[in-house]
Amino acid sequence: GNSVTQMEGPVTLSEEAFLTINCTYTATGYPSLFWYVQYPGEGLQLLLKATKADDKGSNKGFEATYRKETTSFHLEKGSVQVSDSAVYFCALRGAGNKLTFGGGTRVLVKP
Amino acid sequence: DAGVIQSPRHEVTEMGQEVTLRCKPISGHDYLFWYRQTMMRGLELLIYFNNNVPIDDSGMPEDRFSAKMPNASFSTLKIQPSEPRDSAVYFCASSAGRGLQQYFGPGTRLTVT
Repeated sequence: GNSVTQMEGPVTLSEEAFLTINCTYTATGYPSLFWYVQYPGEGLQLLLKATKADDKGSNKGFEATYRKETTSFHLEKGSVQVSDSAVYFCALRGAGNKLTFGGGTRVLVKP
Repeated sequence: DAGVIQSPRHEVTEMGQEVTLRCKPISGHDYLFWYRQTMMRGLELLIYFNNNVPIDDSGMPEDRFSAKMPNASFSTLKIQPSEPRDSAVYFCASSAGRGLQQYFGPGTRLTVT
């Protein structure tokens, strides 16, 4: 079946530092890939997505590139802010309409 | 436009009691999803509906769990009887079509003592 593995947190950074969260997946066929963000006390929000190999999703300074050869979709941001503190989830959607999520990575950005 | 609405936001109940969680999807969305989030198991899909019809309930943990969608604007997730291991945050999400973005509600935090 489908699965998503992402690095465990928490990841603690200083403001303006570079952020990388690794995500790899296992899936049959050609899944679409997503990053969701969950702020404290809220539901998940779609951050970015990519639907085919070599696509780059980007939003709010975050980027991730769909790498089929390494089955990866790593999330990056060049300069984080305190407001980026949240839990980030990597997810894939294979056949059908079901999302499979990774375990989530908590990010804490300190001023 | 209102997003996905869930109620209650917090529920504390005793083991053995019936618990009903409610969800109102975004108007016009034809897919509705129920998820459970725990520290141990992360975020799991329990069941999803299309046009009020359950399509896949393979994630429902056991017979104590049931979900209904009597109309396009309302769904319930019921646990009867509840157990402490059911303590989790339950999210409802909806989407406007197959393969389109899912919008999540704020979740219901359930504590079963």
